[in-house]
Amino acid sequence: EAGVTQSPTHLIKTRGQQATLRCSPISGHTSVYWYQQALGLGLQFLLWYDEGEERNRGNFPPRFSGRQFPNYSSELNVNALELEDSALYLCASSPFGGQSRVHEQFFGPGTRLTVL
Amino acid sequence: GESVGLHLPTLSVQEGDNSIINCAYSNSASDYFIWYKQESGKGPQFIIDIRSNMDKRQGQRVTVLLNKTVKHLSLQIAATQPGDSAVYFCAENTGGFKTIFGAGTRLFVKA
Repeated sequence: EAGVTQSPTHLIKTRGQQATLRCSPISGHTSVYWYQQALGLGLQFLLWYDEGEERNRGNFPPRFSGRQFPNYSSELNVNALELEDSALYLCASSPFGGQSRVHEQFFGPGTRLTVL
Repeated sequence: GESVGLHLPTLSVQEGDNSIINCAYSNSASDYFIWYKQESGKGPQFIIDIRSNMDKRQGQRVTVLLNKTVKHLSLQIAATQPGDSAVYFCAENTGGFKTIFGAGTRLFVKA
């Protein structure tokens, strides 16, 4: 069974640009979670999508947004990029309806975003 | 545990030795704790968990110890192998779905 996949692996942008990150959950999983992992810091919860709807978001500004498609894949968009947005962005999926605890989530390998 | 800054604490051990990785958690009301392993270029992988009503839990080659008095969590890896080289971080569930993640410790295993 394929795991959570993310693309691209690496993404380099400059300040002010927009970044789009993609995630495909494990087949059969309907919930997708996004996390930011900045260098030297713990994971920070960004967004949770389930059945195509944004269900919850962490303490991040509105320029972090996303969507979930009918096939349950998801996009994370970061507008007006700032240097401090440089981080590893992890996507996780869960087979459970309703917000799941983190131990019930399966993580992808992440997209390394570098903002110059 | 909660590490601020760009550099992770590092632990270097000889292959075959036991490793002990520590984590200080922040919330005395946290009821559930998890250890993750994150290898280079990969996402976090669940290793072992423990509930707050337990002091110790053992898995395959790993043991987690919980000391609620001093809000301390440790992960012990027996007979450390080169494949154990990774960043290890703890997470605490502080109630509901809120989870706080530590920055982690980088484990190097010398052959």
